[in-house]
Amino acid sequence: ILNVEQSPQSLHVQEGDSTNFTCSFPSSNFYALHWYRWETAKSPEALFVMTLNGDEKKKGRISATLNTKEGYSYLYIKGSQPEDSATYLCAFSVRGGNKLTFGTGTQLKVEL
Amino acid sequence: DADVTQTPRNRITKTGKRIMLECSQTKGHDRMYWYRQDPGLGLRLIYYSFDVKDINKGEISDGYSVSRQAQAKFSLSLESAIPNQTALYFCATSEVGTGWQETQYFGPGTRLLVL
Repeated sequence: ILNVEQSPQSLHVQEGDSTNFTCSFPSSNFYALHWYRWETAKSPEALFVMTLNGDEKKKGRISATLNTKEGYSYLYIKGSQPEDSATYLCAFSVRGGNKLTFGTGTQLKVEL
Repeated sequence: DADVTQTPRNRITKTGKRIMLECSQTKGHDRMYWYRQDPGLGLRLIYYSFDVKDINKGEISDGYSVSRQAQAKFSLSLESAIPNQTALYFCATSEVGTGWQETQYFGPGTRLLVL
């Protein structure tokens, strides 16, 4: 069974704080790691897809890193804003696999 | 207009009823997927289709069937609904690629309650 774990489960921060969360996955046969942002009552929205060890991706105040050898990815949000409040999902695929395996997400709430 | 649409958005049905959830996309993608989301669990793949003539079971296909009527349409049916199929169902699409590294684009979800 290939599992992905996300931590923490939930996080409350103040506006302006920077924050980060972790996605851990099995490192063997790794192929790709996805991050999605899911706001309540909306569609999950893709943030990043990363495939190479050491990859770093950035979109505005959000960035992500990937370590395929040890099986983890970090998502960073700099200067959190209330509109960043959402659940952040990661998902991974393995070489020769037939699905994305999703984590249960980190629920972020940014308070004024 | 949304690129991936799902109908209905909410549905209440009774045990034993047959229901269909529909998904349409205007992104021109060949690949389409059905997932379900349950509290405390990650999204789980029910079925996927890489083109109109290709249908594949996902990890939790029992009790479900699908139909790919056209490139743009992918329907999920519950032949005889049961209460543990109460969940949030998502349709998604992606471009052709390799090894499940393509970005998936999700619809808004259908919330299904089976009484």
